[in-house]
Amino acid sequence: EVHLVESGGGLVKPGGSLRLSCAASGFPFSSYSMNWVRQAPGKGLEWVSSISGNSGYISYADSVRGRFTISRDNAKNSLFLQMNSLRAEDTAVYYCARDSSASYWGQGTLVTVSS
Amino acid sequence: QPVVTQPPSSSASPGESARLTCTLPGDIDVGSNNIYWYQQKPGSPPRYLLYHFSDSDQGLGSGVPSRFSGSKDASANTGILLISGVQSEDEADYYCMIWPGNACVFGGGTKLTVL
Repeated sequence: EVHLVESGGGLVKPGGSLRLSCAASGFPFSSYSMNWVRQAPGKGLEWVSSISGNSGYISYADSVRGRFTISRDNAKNSLFLQMNSLRAEDTAVYYCARDSSASYWGQGTLVTVSS
Repeated sequence: QPVVTQPPSSSASPGESARLTCTLPGDIDVGSNNIYWYQQKPGSPPRYLLYHFSDSDQGLGSGVPSRFSGSKDASANTGILLISGVQSEDEADYYCMIWPGNACVFGGGTKLTVL
């Protein structure tokens, strides 16, 4: 069974940093691209970033490019999102999702950016 | 990123069919794109429902009932999610998603109310 578990969320001040993790199990992790998708409170879904199975292809939404960095450790079946220069508008639940279809989702981790 | 348009709300009575739309901007051809659909209930992560490229290239997510299906209206540059025989449990937010290039784009979502 596919299982995705996000962690690392919390309260951070504007301008601060946070690193999110997503632990994957139940599938050959290195064979699948992975995504981060976020959802601000009461709002819709917003794609953040994607990474291919071998990390050879990475893409970002315009809203986070230059501030966020996606990475993965296939040996540890883990996906990461390093978030720097955080802004109030980055406040959201952050989900990791598997493959280009986003066919499986984790439960999400809440990031709150506030002074 | 391009804007994908979904009506904010829709309604259907139990047993009726619900038709949810996802309109692409004019510079993105619906005929050339997979349209992905997700269901989200309050307090839960999104659930992958299906993808639709054509009548011969489409697929349901794991465990998704066959009363969910996809189609396209090329004349309106629109993807469509059809829910046949709507049930009370179908009341939720529905999002479409496309990959028109290097970036993934979600529609704004439609809240389906079951009357």
